[in-house]
Amino acid sequence: GQSLEQPSEVTAVEGAIVQINCTYQTSGFYGLSWYQQHDGGAPTFLSYNGLDGLEETGRFSSFLSRSDSYGYLLLQELQMKDSASYFCAVSVASGGSYIPTFGRGTSLIVHP
Amino acid sequence: DSGVTQTPKHLITATGQRVTLRCSPRSGDLSVYWYQQSLDQGLQFLIQYYNGEERAKGNILERFSAQQFPDLHSELNLSSLELGDSALYFCASSAHGSHYGYTFGSGTRLTVV
Repeated sequence: GQSLEQPSEVTAVEGAIVQINCTYQTSGFYGLSWYQQHDGGAPTFLSYNGLDGLEETGRFSSFLSRSDSYGYLLLQELQMKDSASYFCAVSVASGGSYIPTFGRGTSLIVHP
Repeated sequence: DSGVTQTPKHLITATGQRVTLRCSPRSGDLSVYWYQQSLDQGLQFLIQYYNGEERAKGNILERFSAQQFPDLHSELNLSSLELGDSALYFCASSAHGSHYGYTFGSGTRLTVV
């Protein structure tokens, strides 16, 4: 089976930088994705790491270390609208497909 | 609008009943995935279809079933509903083999009373 661990809640102030960590244990690992979900809304894809290293997309960056089974999402210049839940998801090979298995999510609260 | 359409948005039904949730994938996407999200829970993978065929199965109950039609829309059927089935049900679509993100619909909020 698979397991993913990420903090349940993180708080930060507007303009700050925050890092959300994700550790995983799985077989058939292919890559790590991050999704953002505002309360009750559709999860929105943020980034994907298939190889070790850092991927940068605007204010968001994501990192993966396959040897450590670890990744993180870095959010810079935090804005109030960044308050949301953030999910890491491992892509696992299954039946010729790669199925994202999601963690329980981290609730990010941004204070003014 | 993500391009993935789910209907209905809300559904309230009684225990023991059966409901059908519908999903139309983004244009050009052949894969459809169904996820269940209970209160304060992560997204639990239920089942995947690719071009009309079941491709992968997750923690889907025997009371639940799904299918994908020739026009690529998909339906998730939930029967003998229990209170614990109350949740958000999301559909996502992707181009086959794509790892660069799945596009989710806005979900169906199911309440079983």
